[in-house]
Amino acid sequence: AQSVSQHNHHVILSEAASLELGCNYSYGGTVNLFWYVQYPGQHLQLLLKYFSGDPLVKGIKGFEAEFIKSKFSFNLRKPSVQWSDTAEYFCAVRHSGNTGKLIFGQGTTLQVKP
Amino acid sequence: EAGVAQSPRYKIIEKRQSVAFWCNPISGHATLYWYQQILGQGPKLLIQFQNNGVVDDSQLPKDRFSAERLKGVDSTLKIQPAKLEDSAVYLCASSLGQGAQDEQFFGPGTRLTVL
Repeated sequence: AQSVSQHNHHVILSEAASLELGCNYSYGGTVNLFWYVQYPGQHLQLLLKYFSGDPLVKGIKGFEAEFIKSKFSFNLRKPSVQWSDTAEYFCAVRHSGNTGKLIFGQGTTLQVKP
Repeated sequence: EAGVAQSPRYKIIEKRQSVAFWCNPISGHATLYWYQQILGQGPKLLIQFQNNGVVDDSQLPKDRFSAERLKGVDSTLKIQPAKLEDSAVYLCASSLGQGAQDEQFFGPGTRLTVL
C-alpha cells in the first residue's frame, strides 16, 4: 500500500538551531509532494509544495525542502528555527494525475525552546 | 476571504449514539474532502466530492459512516452508530478543483470523543 513515513515523531530544538525533518514515501510513479504545518490552535496550512522542476523548493517563513527521487524523500529544512516555529508538521503525497487525494505521514511535533 | 467553516468544534457522545458534522467550504470551491485524524496519526481521506458527486469513498466505513453534499456546497458527515475507535478529529477541506495545482484549504476540524 502507498504510504508516507516521517522519521521523527517529536523534535526538541533550541532557538537558532538548524532543522531537518525526514519524509519518505512509497510510490514509484510521478508524485506531487507537500509539507503542511499546524500551529497550536490553528488550521492545517500549506508550508510548501513540489510538482516538478527544481527539486529544491522554498516555502513560507524560511522553510525549504529537497526532493530526492532516487531516495523517495522530501525532507524539510530550516537553517535557524524560531520559537514561533513550534508546531506539528505533516508530509503529504499525491500521485500525479490522481483526483486530489493526499496521503499524509503521521506528523512530527516540533518544540522550539526560547 | 472566509475559510472553511466546520461545526461543531467539539462533540462528546456515548458509543452507539449518532452524530453529524457540518462543513461549509470556501465559496466557489468545487471539491470537498472529509479527513479523519486519529491522535498521533496524519489525516486520512474518508470521502471526496466533486460538486455533489462522490469521487472517492474507498476508505469510508459505509456500514456506519455516510456523507452528502446535496447542492454541491455544504456537506454533512454522519456516524451511526458511533464506536470508541471513531474518536478523532474530523477535518473538512476544499479546493477549486482536483487539479495538481489546486491547493487544499483545511477547516479547524471537529474533535469527536466517543465514550
